[in-house]
Amino acid sequence: DAGITQSPRYKITETGRQVTLMCHQTWSHSYMFWYRQDLGHGLRLIYYSAAADITDKGEVPDGYVVSRSKTENFPLTLESATRSQTSVYFCASSEADGNYGYTFGSGTRLTVV
Amino acid sequence: QKEVEQNSGPLSVPEGAIASLNCTYSDRGSQSFFWYRQYSGKSPELIMSIYSNGDKEDGRFTAQLNKASQYVSLLIRDSQPSDSATYLCAVHTGGFKTIFGAGTRLFVKA
Repeated sequence: DAGITQSPRYKITETGRQVTLMCHQTWSHSYMFWYRQDLGHGLRLIYYSAAADITDKGEVPDGYVVSRSKTENFPLTLESATRSQTSVYFCASSEADGNYGYTFGSGTRLTVV
Repeated sequence: QKEVEQNSGPLSVPEGAIASLNCTYSDRGSQSFFWYRQYSGKSPELIMSIYSNGDKEDGRFTAQLNKASQYVSLLIRDSQPSDSATYLCAVHTGGFKTIFGAGTRLFVKA
């Protein structure tokens, strides 16, 4: 299917474990983004990427790592999960840097116990 | 002061009424303004974008922008129960920076 897909939809992990959230888009959009959504905080940008091999930090990057070896994939890794990283994670893509809005994936609900 | 502020609600309106959702932002250099709809347990969906002062209409939705007052609003005419969702205001301030409000929950009563 065309679009932007995230996996897994739900994930429970233990404190200290490494976990990777996957994001794949089929539009060949240059720009991709990772957001987390927490009650009362809205969506906060973790990392973004302007193209393959070009990534940069957003508002809340600590504890996260990204890579983008291919245009269509933008995985997010929690190096050593903490309870504060329990959240809903959304991947988004865009033709531009954000001036025309985003298309979001379906999200990953991550619980760190 | 938060960069993008919305009343968290819930805002409750009867079916067929006009729902008015409001948003204020702090960065006067902001360039683009968006409204996203998010159903419970789902991802945000872009429903309106506005770039210049005034009104922009799309079906039952009207976005209004007043840059002097740093104010964005979304009007939903003939509200339907299916419009019940959280509405997120988002402001693109330049580069890769888009700031989202925390959202306003809307309930449309049948």
